[in-house]
Amino acid sequence: QLQLQESGPGLVKPSETLSLTCTVSGGSISSSTYYWGWIRQPPGKGLDWIGTIYYSGTTYYNPSLKSRVTISVDTSKNQFSLKLSSVTAADTAVYYCARLGYRSGWDPFDSWGQGTLVTVSS
Amino acid sequence: DIQMTQSPSSLSASVGDRVTITCRASQSISFYLNWYQQKPGKAPNLLIYAASSLQSGVPSRFSGSGSGTDFTLTISSLQPEDFATYYCQQSFSTPLTFGGGTKVEIK
Repeated sequence: QLQLQESGPGLVKPSETLSLTCTVSGGSISSSTYYWGWIRQPPGKGLDWIGTIYYSGTTYYNPSLKSRVTISVDTSKNQFSLKLSSVTAADTAVYYCARLGYRSGWDPFDSWGQGTLVTVSS
Repeated sequence: DIQMTQSPSSLSASVGDRVTITCRASQSISFYLNWYQQKPGKAPNLLIYAASSLQSGVPSRFSGSGSGTDFTLTISSLQPEDFATYYCQQSFSTPLTFGGGTKVEIK
């Protein structure tokens, strides 16, 4: 059974870089069928897609965050990571990693991590 | 970007009620529409994909319909465990976008 687990600091100072890792177990991140993504949810608000990566390193980013976001993959560790630079209080959110596929179009997010709350505060 | 608009933003219903939530896309997305259920403190859970396909393990009281720009999620007989927030999401093109959510509360 596929499991995803987010890890990283729960508190980040303003202007610094938020760094999170998603560890995938029960399946290979190098599967040709799937892509891997990050989604965030500010407290009490809705869901926002941050970006998506393929095991080859191909990335897709939300234009609203593109200048500050880097998503990378480490196939040897079955992990993918998120870096968000120059954070402000507006980046305080629960961050989820998730799996999605692509056939003729994007598939849904069918497996999610439990989420990790990241607070931006001095 | 494709904007997704859900209505209503919240509703109150009783156990056994039939509940319908709508989602409208700002442009045609064919059938690339997914529905998720989220309970407090939990990650979203996929209910319906490709507008009308039931995800494995999801009760048959959940159904989806629509294509193009207008979509609906229907719960045929609301159960106590269905009180949650529901989100639609378009997977037609990036940036992938979600609706604002519909909170289903107990009447």
